[in-house]
Amino acid sequence: GAVVSQHPSWVICKSGTSVKIECRSLDFQATTMFWYRQFPKQSLMLMATSNEGSKATYEQGVEKDKFLINHASLTLSTLTVTSAHPEDSSFYICSAHPARTYNEQFFGPGTRLTVL
Amino acid sequence: RKEVEQDPGPFNVPEGATVAFNCTYSNSASQSFFWYRQDCRKEPKLLMSVYSSGNEDGRFTAQLNRASQYISLLIRDSKLSDSATYLCVVNGNYGGSQGNLIFGKGTKLSVKP
Repeated sequence: GAVVSQHPSWVICKSGTSVKIECRSLDFQATTMFWYRQFPKQSLMLMATSNEGSKATYEQGVEKDKFLINHASLTLSTLTVTSAHPEDSSFYICSAHPARTYNEQFFGPGTRLTVL
Repeated sequence: RKEVEQDPGPFNVPEGATVAFNCTYSNSASQSFFWYRQDCRKEPKLLMSVYSSGNEDGRFTAQLNRASQYISLLIRDSKLSDSATYLCVVNGNYGGSQGNLIFGKGTKLSVKP
């Protein structure tokens, strides 16, 4: 099956620091990866769509200068939360779409970010 | 109106019970529909896609009513391991084969012994 990994699985940082989260598709190539955020008791909300070799497409209300996305290869996308603040504390999940499937996305295990 | 709406529950049922979840979506142009399962502090996992003709996978049956923009999930003979949050999901790229998924807030199910 299609496996997506994320690293780190959890991170605690001080306010003002930057945090990088990696998302990797382990056994398939993903031209498109998606980044979601989930606050407690809320639904997953799409933050941005990451396309290999091009700029990410951000959803309305998501600051592209704060959430930097890089999709340099077909198996790796990174999300960097710059100058993180306590309100950025959330569960960040990536997903990837294998070219061979129709619509199905495979999710990474998520990264729990806590900003003190 | 929210794009995908679900009854948040929780649904507390005994083992062996049959339980049904409902979901409505707002955009009639939506073309792909799914039920995902999410365990506490874990990522969502695809449970099943939902087709217009209805589809069944073991104890799970999904139905889609395009006219009413309504999706359902029926779980028969519920097990303790079915306890989770069930997410109704609609593909947001209407007409496209890829695209962002729009998630409902989920319905929490708790199966008791």
